[in-house]
Amino acid sequence: DSGVTQTPKHLITATGQRVTLRCSPRSGDLSVYWYQQSLDQGLQFLIQYYNGEERAKGNILERFSAQQFPDLHSELNLSSLELGDSALYFCASSGGLDTQYFGPGTRLTVL
Amino acid sequence: GENVEQHPSTLSVQEGDSAVIKCTYSDSASNYFPWYKQELGKRPQLIIDIRSNVGEKKDQRIAVTLNKTAKHFSLHITETQPEDSAVYFCAASIDSNYQLIWGAGTKLIIKP
Repeated sequence: DSGVTQTPKHLITATGQRVTLRCSPRSGDLSVYWYQQSLDQGLQFLIQYYNGEERAKGNILERFSAQQFPDLHSELNLSSLELGDSALYFCASSGGLDTQYFGPGTRLTVL
Repeated sequence: GENVEQHPSTLSVQEGDSAVIKCTYSDSASNYFPWYKQELGKRPQLIIDIRSNVGEKKDQRIAVTLNKTAKHFSLHITETQPEDSAVYFCAASIDSNYQLIWGAGTKLIIKP
Protein backbone atom coordinates (compact mmCIF):
# COMPACT_ATOMS: atom_id res chain seq x y z
CA ASP A 1 0.00 0.00 0.00
CA SER A 2 1.56 3.29 -1.16
CA GLY A 3 -0.57 5.52 1.10
CA VAL A 4 -2.16 7.21 -1.92
CA THR A 5 -5.91 6.62 -2.20
CA GLN A 6 -8.16 7.03 -5.21
CA THR A 7 -11.92 6.86 -5.55
CA PRO A 8 -13.86 5.41 -7.15
CA LYS A 9 -12.14 2.17 -8.18
CA HIS A 10 -14.37 1.70 -11.18
CA LEU A 11 -16.57 4.08 -13.08
CA ILE A 12 -18.89 3.25 -15.97
CA THR A 13 -20.59 6.07 -17.77
CA ALA A 14 -21.94 7.10 -21.15
CA THR A 15 -20.50 9.29 -23.87
CA GLY A 16 -21.08 12.99 -23.32
CA GLN A 17 -21.18 12.67 -19.55
CA ARG A 18 -18.95 14.27 -16.92
CA VAL A 19 -17.14 12.49 -14.09
CA THR A 20 -14.90 13.44 -11.20
CA LEU A 21 -12.02 11.31 -9.96
CA ARG A 22 -10.63 11.89 -6.51
CA CYS A 23 -7.14 11.42 -5.09
CA SER A 24 -5.75 11.75 -1.57
CA PRO A 25 -1.95 11.95 -1.45
CA ARG A 26 0.31 10.38 1.13
CA SER A 27 0.37 12.24 4.41
CA GLY A 28 2.65 15.25 4.05
CA ASP A 29 3.10 15.04 0.28
CA LEU A 30 2.54 18.37 -1.43
CA SER A 31 2.72 17.26 -5.08
CA VAL A 32 0.00 15.40 -6.92
CA TYR A 33 0.33 14.06 -10.43
CA TRP A 34 -2.37 12.67 -12.74
CA TYR A 35 -1.70 10.07 -15.42
CA GLN A 36 -3.81 8.36 -18.05
CA GLN A 37 -3.03 4.81 -19.14
CA SER A 38 -4.98 3.34 -22.04
CA LEU A 39 -5.06 -0.41 -22.59
CA ASP A 40 -1.55 -1.83 -23.05
CA GLN A 41 -0.13 1.68 -23.30
CA GLY A 42 2.40 3.67 -21.34
CA LEU A 43 1.85 6.34 -18.72
CA GLN A 44 0.59 9.58 -20.21
CA PHE A 45 1.31 12.51 -17.89
CA LEU A 46 -1.67 14.85 -17.62
CA ILE A 47 -1.01 17.47 -14.96
CA GLN A 48 0.87 18.21 -11.74
CA TYR A 49 -0.15 20.29 -8.73
CA TYR A 50 2.10 21.44 -5.94
CA ASN A 51 0.58 22.78 -2.73
CA GLY A 52 -2.57 23.90 -4.50
CA GLU A 53 -0.95 25.46 -7.54
CA GLU A 54 -0.69 24.00 -11.03
CA ARG A 55 2.98 23.25 -11.66
CA ALA A 56 3.21 21.39 -14.95
CA LYS A 57 0.91 20.37 -17.75
CA GLY A 58 1.27 17.41 -20.06
CA ASN A 59 -0.98 16.27 -22.86
CA ILE A 60 -4.18 17.12 -21.05
CA LEU A 61 -7.24 17.69 -23.20
CA GLU A 62 -9.24 20.91 -22.81
CA ARG A 63 -12.22 18.76 -21.76
CA PHE A 64 -10.20 17.68 -18.72
CA SER A 65 -9.41 19.84 -15.72
CA ALA A 66 -8.01 19.33 -12.26
CA GLN A 67 -7.53 21.10 -8.99
CA GLN A 68 -5.83 20.59 -5.65
CA PHE A 69 -7.64 21.68 -2.53
CA PRO A 70 -6.25 23.23 0.70
CA ASP A 71 -6.28 19.80 2.37
CA LEU A 72 -4.08 18.66 -0.57
CA HIS A 73 -6.52 16.17 -2.05
CA SER A 74 -7.00 16.52 -5.77
CA GLU A 75 -9.82 16.00 -8.24
CA LEU A 76 -9.64 15.32 -11.96
CA ASN A 77 -12.73 16.35 -13.89
CA LEU A 78 -13.42 14.74 -17.25
CA SER A 79 -16.26 16.19 -19.33
CA SER A 80 -17.93 15.51 -22.70
CA LEU A 81 -16.61 11.98 -22.40
CA GLU A 82 -15.74 10.02 -25.53
CA LEU A 83 -15.17 6.30 -26.05
CA GLY A 84 -11.44 6.97 -26.31
CA ASP A 85 -11.33 8.35 -22.78
CA SER A 86 -11.79 4.84 -21.42
CA ALA A 87 -8.58 4.14 -19.51
CA LEU A 88 -6.96 3.69 -16.13
CA TYR A 89 -6.38 7.02 -14.41
CA PHE A 90 -3.63 7.08 -11.84
CA CYS A 91 -2.81 9.65 -9.27
CA ALA A 92 0.66 9.82 -7.75
CA SER A 93 2.10 11.94 -4.99
CA SER A 94 5.56 13.01 -3.92
CA GLY A 95 6.99 14.89 -1.01
CA GLY A 96 9.19 17.27 -2.94
CA LEU A 97 11.83 14.77 -3.92
CA ASP A 98 11.45 13.02 -7.23
CA THR A 99 10.04 9.71 -6.03
CA GLN A 100 6.40 9.34 -6.99
CA TYR A 101 4.05 6.94 -5.22
CA PHE A 102 1.04 5.77 -7.16
CA GLY A 103 -2.51 5.17 -6.06
CA PRO A 104 -4.46 2.07 -7.13
CA GLY A 105 -6.08 3.89 -10.05
CA THR A 106 -9.61 4.49 -11.26
CA ARG A 107 -10.77 2.39 -14.20
CA LEU A 108 -13.05 4.50 -16.37
CA THR A 109 -15.25 2.83 -18.95
CA VAL A 110 -17.17 5.04 -21.38
CA LEU A 111 -19.98 3.27 -23.21
CA GLY B 1 12.82 19.08 -23.42
CA GLU B 2 13.78 15.73 -21.96
CA ASN B 3 13.06 12.57 -23.92
CA VAL B 4 13.46 9.01 -22.65
CA GLU B 5 13.70 6.01 -24.96
CA GLN B 6 13.31 2.49 -23.62
CA HIS B 7 14.34 -0.80 -25.25
CA PRO B 8 13.28 -3.45 -25.90
CA SER B 9 9.50 -3.10 -25.91
CA THR B 10 9.13 -6.82 -25.18
CA LEU B 11 11.68 -9.14 -23.60
CA SER B 12 11.23 -12.87 -23.18
CA VAL B 13 13.74 -14.79 -21.06
CA GLN B 14 13.97 -18.26 -19.61
CA GLU B 15 13.31 -18.57 -15.91
CA GLY B 16 16.60 -18.32 -14.05
CA ASP B 17 18.31 -16.27 -16.76
CA SER B 18 19.11 -12.57 -16.53
CA ALA B 19 17.14 -9.72 -18.09
CA VAL B 20 18.46 -6.30 -19.07
CA ILE B 21 16.34 -3.30 -20.03
CA LYS B 22 17.99 -0.11 -21.28
CA CYS B 23 16.90 3.50 -21.33
CA THR B 24 18.53 6.52 -22.92
CA TYR B 25 17.80 10.12 -22.04
CA SER B 26 18.46 13.37 -23.84
CA ASP B 27 18.88 16.05 -21.17
CA SER B 28 22.28 15.93 -19.50
CA ALA B 29 20.81 17.87 -16.54
CA SER B 30 18.67 14.86 -15.57
CA ASN B 31 19.81 13.58 -12.21
CA TYR B 32 17.23 11.09 -10.95
CA PHE B 33 16.38 7.77 -12.63
CA PRO B 34 13.72 5.48 -11.14
CA TRP B 35 12.43 2.15 -12.35
CA TYR B 36 8.84 1.08 -11.81
CA LYS B 37 7.23 -2.34 -12.14
CA GLN B 38 3.59 -2.61 -13.13
CA GLU B 39 1.69 -5.87 -12.92
CA LEU B 40 -1.42 -6.27 -15.01
CA GLY B 41 -4.19 -3.94 -13.85
CA LYS B 42 -2.20 -2.70 -10.85
CA ARG B 43 -0.37 0.46 -9.91
CA PRO B 44 3.23 1.14 -10.98
CA GLN B 45 5.52 0.46 -8.03
CA LEU B 46 9.00 1.81 -7.53
CA ILE B 47 11.51 -1.04 -7.47
CA ILE B 48 14.82 0.80 -7.57
CA ASP B 49 16.18 4.26 -8.32
CA ILE B 50 19.53 5.91 -8.81
CA ARG B 51 20.84 9.46 -8.67
CA SER B 52 23.47 10.93 -10.92
CA ASN B 53 26.19 10.92 -8.28
CA VAL B 54 26.13 7.11 -8.21
CA GLY B 55 27.16 4.70 -10.97
CA GLU B 56 25.46 1.54 -9.75
CA LYS B 57 22.95 0.45 -7.15
CA LYS B 58 21.88 -3.06 -6.15
CA ASP B 59 18.97 -4.51 -4.23
CA GLN B 60 19.05 -8.29 -4.05
CA ARG B 61 18.39 -9.58 -7.62
CA ILE B 62 17.86 -6.10 -9.06
CA ALA B 63 20.52 -3.60 -10.06
CA VAL B 64 20.59 -0.32 -11.95
CA THR B 65 23.62 1.11 -13.72
CA LEU B 66 24.05 4.67 -14.95
CA ASN B 67 26.40 5.92 -17.64
CA LYS B 68 26.22 9.72 -17.56
CA THR B 69 28.62 10.18 -20.45
CA ALA B 70 26.53 8.05 -22.78
CA LYS B 71 23.30 9.21 -21.14
CA HIS B 72 21.87 5.78 -20.57
CA PHE B 73 20.83 3.68 -17.62
CA SER B 74 19.89 0.03 -17.41
CA LEU B 75 17.90 -2.30 -15.20
CA HIS B 76 19.40 -5.72 -14.55
CA ILE B 77 17.39 -8.57 -13.08
CA THR B 78 19.28 -11.76 -12.25
CA GLU B 79 17.90 -15.26 -11.59
CA THR B 80 14.54 -14.28 -13.03
CA GLN B 81 11.41 -15.79 -11.51
CA PRO B 82 7.80 -16.05 -12.77
CA GLU B 83 6.77 -13.18 -10.48
CA ASP B 84 9.15 -10.90 -12.37
CA SER B 85 6.75 -10.99 -15.32
CA ALA B 86 5.37 -7.46 -15.62
CA VAL B 87 5.80 -4.20 -17.52
CA TYR B 88 8.80 -2.17 -16.43
CA PHE B 89 9.00 1.60 -16.89
CA CYS B 90 12.07 3.78 -16.64
CA ALA B 91 11.93 7.53 -16.06
CA ALA B 92 14.21 10.52 -15.69
CA SER B 93 13.83 13.85 -13.98
CA ILE B 94 15.55 17.08 -13.19
CA ASP B 95 15.52 18.39 -9.63
CA SER B 96 14.07 21.72 -10.62
CA ASN B 97 10.56 20.55 -11.45
CA TYR B 98 10.19 17.07 -9.95
CA GLN B 99 8.42 15.94 -13.11
CA LEU B 100 9.24 12.48 -14.37
CA ILE B 101 9.70 11.86 -18.09
CA TRP B 102 8.73 8.26 -18.79
CA GLY B 103 9.94 5.57 -21.13
CA ALA B 104 7.35 3.63 -23.13
CA GLY B 105 7.70 0.47 -21.06
CA THR B 106 9.10 -3.04 -21.50
CA LYS B 107 6.94 -6.11 -21.19
CA LEU B 108 9.05 -8.78 -19.51
CA ILE B 109 7.93 -12.36 -20.01
CA ILE B 110 9.52 -15.12 -17.95
CA LYS B 111 9.24 -18.49 -19.68
CA PRO B 112 9.02 -21.55 -17.39
